[in-house]
Amino acid sequence: DTEVTQTPKHLVMGMTNKKSLKCEQHMGHRAMYWYKQKAKKPPELMFVYSYEKLSINESVPSRFSPECPNSSLLNLHLHALQPEDSALYLCASSQDRGNEQFFGPGTRLTVL
Amino acid sequence: GQSLEQPSEVTAVEGAIVQINCTYQTSGFYGLSWYQQHDGGAPTFLSYNALDGLEETGRFSSFLSRSDSYGYLLLQELQMKDSASYFCAVRDRHNTGKLIFGQGTTLQVKP
Repeated sequence: DTEVTQTPKHLVMGMTNKKSLKCEQHMGHRAMYWYKQKAKKPPELMFVYSYEKLSINESVPSRFSPECPNSSLLNLHLHALQPEDSALYLCASSQDRGNEQFFGPGTRLTVL
Repeated sequence: GQSLEQPSEVTAVEGAIVQINCTYQTSGFYGLSWYQQHDGGAPTFLSYNALDGLEETGRFSSFLSRSDSYGYLLLQELQMKDSASYFCAVRDRHNTGKLIFGQGTTLQVKP
């Protein structure tokens, strides 16, 4: 299985809502990532988990809260988001700090 | 800091060859990667060069010159499905899992 899955595919939420994005991989990768991507821009790193521990937080606002329940799962909890947080949220995984990152299809998030 | 430069857009016709260049400035270098992303899709890993020279994978090849801080992605026998954005990327200077991406090159293949 060489796939990273993400749910949901699309999400529309109000600024007072709480929602979660989910990511799963079964490739035995020990590094997992959350990226945010705006249209016509490169992916922008948010968080890195290495061996289930948060190793990088790119000064992301606290309204985004990552969680890594086990080596296959990665969640991103969302609360009190702003309209400018609307974007494609991508999950990725890699072997340790590998250069080949496998990306999931993303969650298209719209904040109203 | 670290930065990468690549052209914003390239246009070519089906069957042609196109080269997408990438120049980088880094303190600490751990190789150059290339990713392809179709509209509405996820980035897909294409290639990685850690050493100087050309790496070939089917119709795609990637080249690196560390002395020139320069690399390129070469796409041969272009097909319509190659229309996509292409990103070069380097690992950050602390050799963590963080990738620094270029701004991306949009390739349009015309019939």
